[in-house]
Amino acid sequence: SQTIHQWPATLVQPVGSPLSLECTVEGTSNPNLYWYRQAAGRGLQLLFYSVGIGQISSEVPQNLSASRPQDRQFILSSKKLLLSDSGFYLCAWSTRSNQPQHFGDGTRLSIL
Amino acid sequence: TQLLEQSPQFLSIQEGENLTVYCNSSSVFSSLQWYRQEPGEGPVLLVTVVTGGEVKKLKRLTFQFGDARKDSSLHITAAQPGDTGLYLCAGGGHAGNNRKLIWGLGTSLAVNP
Repeated sequence: SQTIHQWPATLVQPVGSPLSLECTVEGTSNPNLYWYRQAAGRGLQLLFYSVGIGQISSEVPQNLSASRPQDRQFILSSKKLLLSDSGFYLCAWSTRSNQPQHFGDGTRLSIL
Repeated sequence: TQLLEQSPQFLSIQEGENLTVYCNSSSVFSSLQWYRQEPGEGPVLLVTVVTGGEVKKLKRLTFQFGDARKDSSLHITAAQPGDTGLYLCAGGGHAGNNRKLIWGLGTSLAVNP
């Protein structure tokens, strides 16, 4: 069966520090991969999605970047975190575009 | 402009009551997905509806896709505290962008014992 792992679960970082969140998927090949940010108790904002290795689509201009160095690995990064980067970050995968998505447990990021 | 409008935004009810939440759009989707999310966790898929007028039941949950595939509803019978969570709908196959899901902002449901 397929599983998705996302870590860390929580992270507290100072303003201006770098960021690296990692997501890996097991049990499937060539998945579509997604990074979302979610405000407290509300909907999902799509940040990046990838349909293959090295292929990244950015949905909103921001302080973040994404990379997909391997088929089932998706990384969210920042060189210098801002206070506004605080939030709940979710990684997800699907077999194809528009198909149901399967989510990790999320990372709660707090910027001080 | 939000392409998928969910209502109500918040709902607090007593155990045993029935409720309906809505997901509406002026756009046509090829499919509509419903997810439930509990605090501190990722959303979990409940159901996918793909045919206009389709009705699917999942125990006490009934999902309906509108005839024109522009809207959907989720009805919960005899709600229980375990139904508490954020209910999200997501539309696939939107004519404007066929490569990603369009998400509603969610309905936050609290079922009080």
